[in-house]
Amino acid sequence: KAGVTQTPRYLIKTRGQQVTLSCSPISGHRSVSWYQQTPGQGLQFLFEYFSETQRNKGNFPGRFSGRQFSNSRSEMNVSTLELGDSALYLCASSLEGGRDSPLHFGNGTRLTVT
Amino acid sequence: AQRVTQPEKLLSVFKGAPVELKCNYSYSGSPELFWYVQYSRQRLQLLLRHISRESIKGFTADLNKGETSFHLKKPFAQEEDSAMYYCALRLTGGGNKLTFGTGTQLKVEL
Repeated sequence: KAGVTQTPRYLIKTRGQQVTLSCSPISGHRSVSWYQQTPGQGLQFLFEYFSETQRNKGNFPGRFSGRQFSNSRSEMNVSTLELGDSALYLCASSLEGGRDSPLHFGNGTRLTVT
Repeated sequence: AQRVTQPEKLLSVFKGAPVELKCNYSYSGSPELFWYVQYSRQRLQLLLRHISRESIKGFTADLNKGETSFHLKKPFAQEEDSAMYYCALRLTGGGNKLTFGTGTQLKVEL
């Protein structure tokens, strides 16, 4: 089975722009979660989607949004980029999101905001 | 709010020595605890779950609710164990919202 695929691997954007990141989960997985990883804050939960509905949300501003499509693929959007948004964005998928559904992570998209 | 603490940023041990990576959590309920590992140039992957009570690659971890700890242990470190280790907590019914510790870099020296 192919693993979680994130595209693109690297992005460079300018402050004020917006960006869309994509995630293709493992086939059959219905839950997709997004995490932000920075040297200062570590891994922080952004949001989780399950069957096209946002199921959980972290403590990030409204500039961060996401969606999930009927094939479980997910996109994350960040509007009005700030320098502090520079980070590695990780996507993870699982079957259901319950006790017997471990997370499988992608390689991440490294976003640099200049 | 729940919190996961990994007090050591870096842990350096010699090959064959015992390893203990510390993890403490704060949460009043019954959480699920995990250890994730990231080897050099590889993606983050699940190592252990407390509900499984299994040994993976010689590593074990026991949930101690009294001390709110979930330390990761291995009796004899191997060079291939060198990696970044993250402890994570999930609330019951919390879907895939994990709270991660800041990670401990384990370096096994020859």
